[in-house]
Amino acid sequence: AQSVTQLGSHVSVSEGALVLLRCNYSSSVPPYLFWYVQYPNQGLQLLLKYTTGATLVKGINGFEAEFKKSETSFHLTKPSAHMSDAAEYFCAVSEAGNQFYFGTGTSLTVIP
Amino acid sequence: EPEVTQTPSHQVTQMGQEVILRCVPISNHLYFYWYRQILGQKVEFLVSFYNNEISEKSEIFDDQFSVERPDGSNFTLKIRSTKLEDSAMYFCASSERGREIADTQYFGPGTRLTVL
Repeated sequence: AQSVTQLGSHVSVSEGALVLLRCNYSSSVPPYLFWYVQYPNQGLQLLLKYTTGATLVKGINGFEAEFKKSETSFHLTKPSAHMSDAAEYFCAVSEAGNQFYFGTGTSLTVIP
Repeated sequence: EPEVTQTPSHQVTQMGQEVILRCVPISNHLYFYWYRQILGQKVEFLVSFYNNEISEKSEIFDDQFSVERPDGSNFTLKIRSTKLEDSAMYFCASSERGREIADTQYFGPGTRLTVL
């Protein structure tokens, strides 16, 4: 069975500081991993995804994530937070077929 | 850029009433999905739909729920007799090639359903 754990339902960082949002997963087969962002009153927007190949994945808005199989992790990072990064972030995993499994989300606050 | 749209943005209904949530997927997409998110909980998969039939559904998607693609553009979720616990945000999503593993799903903004 698949599951996703996002540590920290709320994360606050100062503008310009490093953003680190944690995601751990469980999967019986090599997973496909995703990060989505949700801005207020909007749908889920894909930030980046890992399928195969290079384990460091770059996405939109300067975000990147690294797939670490040994740690079953797919943490999301951004070197320098911007006010516009304030949003809800969801990690998701898919093994096969169409179903995605989401984490509970992390709300990112950026402090000026 | 094409996007998934959903109507209404907020629906309030009385317990026991039927509701229909509407979605317009991206026009060239072939796979459609419904998810829900109860306040404070994770986004949960409900159902996927391809070629005018359900391809996968979760335990949540019981006989009270149904989906339909009544025409070439709309994709609907019907809840026949709403319960208090159906109150949630419902997201529609679509993908171009769902059977390909890890095909990106594009999500709509959601419909917030409140059952009183």
